[in-house]
Order: sequence, then C-alpha cells, then structure tokens
Amino acid sequence: AQSVTQLGSHVSVSEGALVLLRCNYSSSVPPYLFWYVQYPNQGLQLLLKYTSAATLVKGINGFEAEFKKSETSFHLTKPSAHMSDAAEYFCAVSSGSARQLTFGSGTQLTVLP
Amino acid sequence: NAGVTQTPKFRILKIGQSMTLQCAQDMNHNYMYWYRQDPGMGLKLIYYSVGAGITDKGEVPNGYNVSRSTTEDFPLRLELAAPSQTSVYFCASGQGSPHGYEQYFGPGTRLTVT
Repeated sequence: AQSVTQLGSHVSVSEGALVLLRCNYSSSVPPYLFWYVQYPNQGLQLLLKYTSAATLVKGINGFEAEFKKSETSFHLTKPSAHMSDAAEYFCAVSSGSARQLTFGSGTQLTVLP
Repeated sequence: NAGVTQTPKFRILKIGQSMTLQCAQDMNHNYMYWYRQDPGMGLKLIYYSVGAGITDKGEVPNGYNVSRSTTEDFPLRLELAAPSQTSVYFCASGQGSPHGYEQYFGPGTRLTVT
C-alpha cells in the first residue's frame, strides 16, 4: 500500500526566505506524485506533478520539486517566499485502478513579514 | 467551463438525518472521487468511480453511499448522520493516463452533525 509522510505540520518562514516542505513516500511501483495547495476555505489546487519524466518538476507560482528515488522523497521548494504563499500544502501519491490519491497529513505554511 | 461544482457549501444536520451531497463536473472526466478532510489528517478517500454505473469503496466508506448514473454527476449519500461524519467533503474528477492522473477538486461542502 502506498503512503505519504509530510515532516512538519507547521512551517514558518520570513518573506523572501527559502521555502522547503518535505514529503517522503512509500510505493511498491514507480509512483506518480503531486503537490496540492489549499487556501483557506477553498478546494485543492494542483501545484505540480511528477509522472516519471524529468526528476525536477516546475510548477505554478515559482514552486518546484525534485523526485529522488534513492531517498523516496519529493520535497517542495521555492527560492523566495511571498506573503501570498501562506496556505496548507499537501503531498499525494497516485495508485490503484482509478489512480486514487493517498494524501499526506498536510503542512501549514506561514510567511512572516 | 465550471470545472467541479459541489452543493451545498454548508450544511448542519441532526443525528440520524439523511442528506445527499451533490457533485458535478463538465470536463467529461471518466474518474470521479469523494474525499473527506479532517483537521491534521489530510484527505481520505470515501468512494470513487471509473465511469457511469461503476463505483467502488475507498479507505473510509462506512456510513456513505454513492451512485454514478451519468458521466457528469457523482452524488454522495449519508443515510443516518453521525457526529463522526462532521467534516469537509471534497469531490474531484480526473482523466487518468495519458493525461497525467491529476485530479481537479471542487470547493467543498462543510458538514456539521449535531
């Protein structure tokens, strides 16, 4: 069975600082991995996805993630945090006949002025 | 193109009442899903469907039922509401390979059972 672990339920960074949100996965087959963002009282929006092409994946809003098979990791980064990045971020792995998603427990990102 | 729509946005139910959460998508996606989100727990899959007339249980199906009579609609039924079903419910749709497997989410329904 697939699983996702997000280290750190809350992360705080200063505006302009590096954002690093950690995600480790467990999968018995080559995974499809996703990062979603959720702003308050909204649904989930896709940030980026890994589907076995390039290991460094670029997404929206300046975010990127690197797939590292040896470390079973898919950490999300952004070089310079903006106040508008404050949100909850979810890492997910896709599996099963309907490609259903297994989510991590989420990381709440706070950006300090 | 409205994407995935959900109604209602909010609902308060008394214990033992029933209700249907509506979900519709206009992207002609074959796959549809229902998740619930509880604080600190991420999202858990309740039910999913790979096409009209085909549904299957996810990780937390107890207390829920679904149907899929059309490609567009995927309602979720709560028959006897319990406090443990207080949650935010998200419907999603997707196409699968070769379109990348990502899912598109609706805005959610916030349900309180008292």
